[in-house]
Amino acid sequence: DTAVSQTPKYLVTQMGNDKSIKCEQNLGHDTMYWYKQDSKKFLKIMFSYNNKELIINETVPNRFSPKSPDKAHLNLHINSLELGDSAVYFCASRKRFQETQYFGPGTRLLVL
Amino acid sequence: DQQVKQNSPSLSVQEGRISILNCDYTNSMFDYFLWYKKYPAEGPTFLISISSIKDKNEDGRFTVFLNKSAKHLSLHIVPSQPGDSAVYFCAASAIGANSKLTFGKGITLSVRP
Repeated sequence: DTAVSQTPKYLVTQMGNDKSIKCEQNLGHDTMYWYKQDSKKFLKIMFSYNNKELIINETVPNRFSPKSPDKAHLNLHINSLELGDSAVYFCASRKRFQETQYFGPGTRLLVL
Repeated sequence: DQQVKQNSPSLSVQEGRISILNCDYTNSMFDYFLWYKKYPAEGPTFLISISSIKDKNEDGRFTVFLNKSAKHLSLHIVPSQPGDSAVYFCAASAIGANSKLTFGKGITLSVRP
């Protein structure tokens, strides 16, 4: 009965590779987010989708491309991975017009 | 430019005593505030929130106080329990259809048995 799930939980890859992270929520929410927690532990928003429409893009490099096939799923594809992309990526969701966001368990990405 | 600041990186309290976690913000557009708790290798878990039209919200052992004029909020946990040991994030948003959360850096709370 997991509310917000992410796969994979851990991802170790080489510089230059392309990888994807998947997120699914079964809460019936219509807004989903990607956040990045860097080495300094700040949680920063990257993207937000509402009903499959991109509504927030926080000056993230265009190597990062989110995709929302339906309102329960938000995936993140990263091209040409760089060392600085190493971080924990969290997916979150909320019901529109409610402020509380619910987070997934995170995907720990390590780029070597 | 940090719009949400949690200036103390850590706090240690004795079991049974009160824990007070502080948070300051600079953006006057923020009108909703949340506290999240995070254990290692897990995602943040929603704890409690408060709207700017209130100055206090209570849920069991957790109370959040908001001082809008000072742009300051605090989370009180009483009594503190060892299971409360975690990182606590303060977050703020400006209510709206495109709202997003702006997080502080987090405070590591250790509750000693």
